[in-house]
Amino acid sequence: GAVVSQHPSWVICKSGTSVKIECRSLDFQATTMFWYRQFPKQSLMLMATSNEGSKATYEQGVEKDKFLINHASLTLSTLTVTSAHPEDSSFYICSARTSGDLAKNIQYFGAGTRLSVL
Amino acid sequence: LAKTTQPISMDSYEGQEVNITCSHNNIATNDYITWYQQFPSQGPRFIIQGYKTKVTNEVASLFIPADRKSSTLSLPRVSLSDTAVYYCLVGGHTGFQKLVFGTGTRLLVSP
Repeated sequence: GAVVSQHPSWVICKSGTSVKIECRSLDFQATTMFWYRQFPKQSLMLMATSNEGSKATYEQGVEKDKFLINHASLTLSTLTVTSAHPEDSSFYICSARTSGDLAKNIQYFGAGTRLSVL
Repeated sequence: LAKTTQPISMDSYEGQEVNITCSHNNIATNDYITWYQQFPSQGPRFIIQGYKTKVTNEVASLFIPADRKSSTLSLPRVSLSDTAVYYCLVGGHTGFQKLVFGTGTRLLVSP
């Protein structure tokens, strides 16, 4: 159980275009979803925390107007990279947490999306 | 959020037992200790979690001393497929607490 699906797994886009990444919890309801970014050979960096039905909470230094997050249902959160530029090229990973795992803070991760901006 | 410290890298051979120790001196009373595994170009995968003493599952064991200021992930008889980055995280129930990933330990298993 606790499967998180992330789509697409890989995307190439031109500079200035927008890209949407979907994160779905397949077999559970995710009260909270998280979005991370990971550069090569580095650790995961939390970008934002997304709670169903409310605005996302962004980490310091993350532009909320550039990285739009929508958590419209208990099984879906989306991250839209607006007006992407080459420096936005990275590996984006989502995770989800159930209310039942809140006490132990276990998160289940998607497979990640590799974004390449030309 | 408690900060964690773990070795940057470790090397091992197939069939050996690997122990990765994580230091978390500022762990809080309600914090759990969780380990994740990450393969290249994949999202992290939950391995094991514990609060105190010893926890064992089909994949690994987690040893936590009484003072809980450190923990050791033990991987029995590693194989080449265990080559990955292993992250130790500390956190607990404080509402919507986020996970903060440290540098992790890059384990390389050789034939």
